[in-house]
This record gives sequence, structure tokens and C-alpha cells, in this order.
Amino acid sequence: SQTIHQWPATLVQPVGSPLSLECTVEGTSNPNLYWYRQAAGRGLQLLFYSVGIGQISSEVPQNLSASRPQDRQFILSSKKLLLSDSGFYLCAWSVWDRVNEQFFGPGTRLTVL
Amino acid sequence: QQQVKQSPQSLIVQKGGISIINCAYENTAFDYFPWYQQFPGKGPALLIAIRPDVSEKKEGRFTISFNKSAKQFSLHIMDSQPGDSATYFCAASTDYSTGNQFYFGTGTSLTVIP
Repeated sequence: SQTIHQWPATLVQPVGSPLSLECTVEGTSNPNLYWYRQAAGRGLQLLFYSVGIGQISSEVPQNLSASRPQDRQFILSSKKLLLSDSGFYLCAWSVWDRVNEQFFGPGTRLTVL
Repeated sequence: QQQVKQSPQSLIVQKGGISIINCAYENTAFDYFPWYQQFPGKGPALLIAIRPDVSEKKEGRFTISFNKSAKQFSLHIMDSQPGDSATYFCAASTDYSTGNQFYFGTGTSLTVIP
């Protein structure tokens, strides 16, 4: 069966510090991978998606970047965090040809102070 | 532009009652409508989904009703239990969606009172 991992689970970072969140998927090959942000009391905002190694599409202009160094690894980064980057970050995956069935990881709670 | 509109934003139901959450969409090309359940501090989990070739799908206490002509679909939770207290998201997409064409509603916070 497939599983998706995210770490860390929680993170508190000062403004201006760098960020690296990691997501890995097990039990599947060539998945589509997604990063979402969920602000408190808000819906899910798609940040990035990837259909393959090194292929990243960005949905919103922002202070964040994503990379996919391996087939089942997706990384969300920032060089300098802003207060507005605080939120709940969710990684998700789907089978490469079934975008409409997305499975989410446990999330990372990021607080920028 | 919000592709999928969800209501209500919050809902309080007595134990044993029926919880109803509604969603509406505009794009008639959508052909897959899932509902996700999210507990605090956890990622959303796929709960139930429907395609527009049927008007209703039932899984246990959870039912999706789909009205293609009205472009609306709803989640019904029968015999609501305190353990159902969570945030529920509807979504919509097409079989030919690329990664950025999967649209979520803004979520409904459900509280079931014992």
C-alpha cells in the first residue's frame, strides 16, 4: 500500500530564516506530487505540483520554491521566511494519470515569528 | 474566482441528527466530485466521491447527492456522531485535469454535540 510522509510535523522559525520541508511517498512510482498551504480557517491553496523529477509548476507568486530531486521526494523551500508564510503545509500525491484522486500527507504546521 | 463554492462555513448538529453540507460549481466539464474529511492537525482524507452519471452514492452513513442540472452536490451524514466532528471539503476536477485543475471548496467545520 502507498504511504506519504512529511516532516517535520511542526516547525517554529524566525522571520528571515530559511525553510525546508520534505515529503516522501512510498509504494508507488512516478506519482504526481503537490504542495498545498492551508491558512487557519481557510481552504486549500495549491502552491506547486510536479509530474516528474525536476518538473515543477508554480501556481501562485510567493516566497517559496519547490524541488523534486527524486521520483518520490518533494521539497518545499524558502530562503527567507515571512510572517505570512505561517500555515499548515500539506503534501499530496496522485497516480500519474489520475489527478483527481489525491491523497494527503499528515501536514507540517509552520509558525513564523 | 472560486470554482467550487461550499456552504455553510460551520455547522453544529446534535448527535443522531443529519448533517448537510452543500457545494456548487460552474464548470460543466467537471466530472469527479470528492469529499474530504480533515481532523485538526491532520491531512485531509478522501471520504467519498461521485461522478455525474449517478445522482446519489452512499457509503455507510455518508451519502453524496448530485444534481447535474443545478450544478450542485451535497454531503449528507446520517446519524451524526461526535466522532464526525471535523472539517469537510468538497472538490471538483475532470479526468483530464492537470495538476492545477483540482479545485477545493473553502471547507465546513462540523461540530456534533453529544
